[in-house]
Amino acid sequence: DAKTTQPNSMESNEEEPVHLPCNHSTISGTDYIHWYRQLPSQGPEYVIHGLTSNVNNRMASLAIAEDRKSSTLILHRATLRDAAVYYCILTQTGANNLFFGTGTRLTVIP
Amino acid sequence: GAVVSQHPSWVICKSGTSVKIECRSLDFQATTMFWYRQFPKQSLMLMATSNEGSKATYEQGVEKDKFLINHASLTLSTLTVTSAHPEDSSFYICSAPTRIQSNQPQHFGDGTRLSIL
Repeated sequence: DAKTTQPNSMESNEEEPVHLPCNHSTISGTDYIHWYRQLPSQGPEYVIHGLTSNVNNRMASLAIAEDRKSSTLILHRATLRDAAVYYCILTQTGANNLFFGTGTRLTVIP
Repeated sequence: GAVVSQHPSWVICKSGTSVKIECRSLDFQATTMFWYRQFPKQSLMLMATSNEGSKATYEQGVEKDKFLINHASLTLSTLTVTSAHPEDSSFYICSAPTRIQSNQPQHFGDGTRLSIL
């Protein structure tokens, strides 16, 4: 499985934008990039996913590098409820199973 | 609202007991569901893929006789931890894609915290 690399932790001030990076230099041409987040004592929650083009939804934006070897999850205005562990995951074409890495623990400072 | 329901939320039982955890898809059919395990301060580890009407597919290192999976209907998968011991204490989580196509978002249950005394 193609691996991803994320910083262990990041901090952000409340109501400021947050850019969470993910490196995936061994990504194959047909791997999708998924982002999930996990709040304490809960199951993960889907955030966003994409293949080549940047994606926007009500929760976040996903910026994918032109060479697809990295991506950035953008939270436009961090709130206290966004404090969670964010996972960047690659999925192979034809597959739905997810292999989680260590993720980035986001702390939002009031 | 939750689209995947997991029950029970937590279990405390004695060593040697078998424990069954249910994962239900609400308002959609799930031919495939996934089971994960998460130890404290660690990431989720995929244990197995539950397939409706056929045998589950286990990840390497996961004992199929220890973790029995049954997916008898399109809305229910169960994970039974047989003869549980303290080292089986963990947070067990299930998930299901809401669409049959691959690479679709997964919906996760809220997890079951299992504590074996």
